[in-house]
Amino acid sequence: NAGVTQTPKFRVLKTGQSMTLLCAQDMNHEYMYWYRQDPGMGLRLIHYSVGEGTTAKGEVPDGYNVSRLKKQNFLLGLESAAPSQTSVYFCASSNFGGGVGEQFFGPGTRLTVL
Amino acid sequence: ILNVEQSPQSLHVQEGDSTNFTCSFPSSNFYALHWYRWETAKSPEALFVMTLNGDEKKKGRISATLNTKEGYSYLYIKGSQPEDSATYLCALSNAGNMLTFGGGTRLMVKP
Repeated sequence: NAGVTQTPKFRVLKTGQSMTLLCAQDMNHEYMYWYRQDPGMGLRLIHYSVGEGTTAKGEVPDGYNVSRLKKQNFLLGLESAAPSQTSVYFCASSNFGGGVGEQFFGPGTRLTVL
Repeated sequence: ILNVEQSPQSLHVQEGDSTNFTCSFPSSNFYALHWYRWETAKSPEALFVMTLNGDEKKKGRISATLNTKEGYSYLYIKGSQPEDSATYLCALSNAGNMLTFGGGTRLMVKP
């Protein structure tokens, strides 16, 4: 039982390049989330999904797109990377809604955009 | 977007000291308050999920209380140990389980 995994662990991009971050969970969770973590800012929600085939915007969605084609995977895309997107990205999953679900986090992806 | 403030930002204590820190929020319009523990180079891990005014949770030497009427939650650590060194995050959730996190309190316990 691997929990929540993220691929890749590190990546360096040039401005304007695109990439996709993959989050996978093997706990059969319905809810999945993408956060970014910046110094002094805490964790901020980018996009989330309440089930396969559904996505919704979080607090800071601009410049990102997501897809949830399979229940176990949640992809975060950057179409045209900008230096402001340099951050550590965390994926999380949860099995309960209603505000009471404990979220399980992945190990993070450190992205640098030059 | 829910507003969550944590204080202090950082805290240094000696091994064996008991300590506490605060999560405050101006509005009780949320579904639950979550506490997470985040060790350096690891992922955040859930400590408690609290929903009711007056709720108290305990896990070993760590406990938490929630006062929704006055807009705060306290996290207590009794007899701090070096392995308690971490950043403690507070978050509020809405019905969709979207979490809004505070900035965290970074605790460092000196042996």
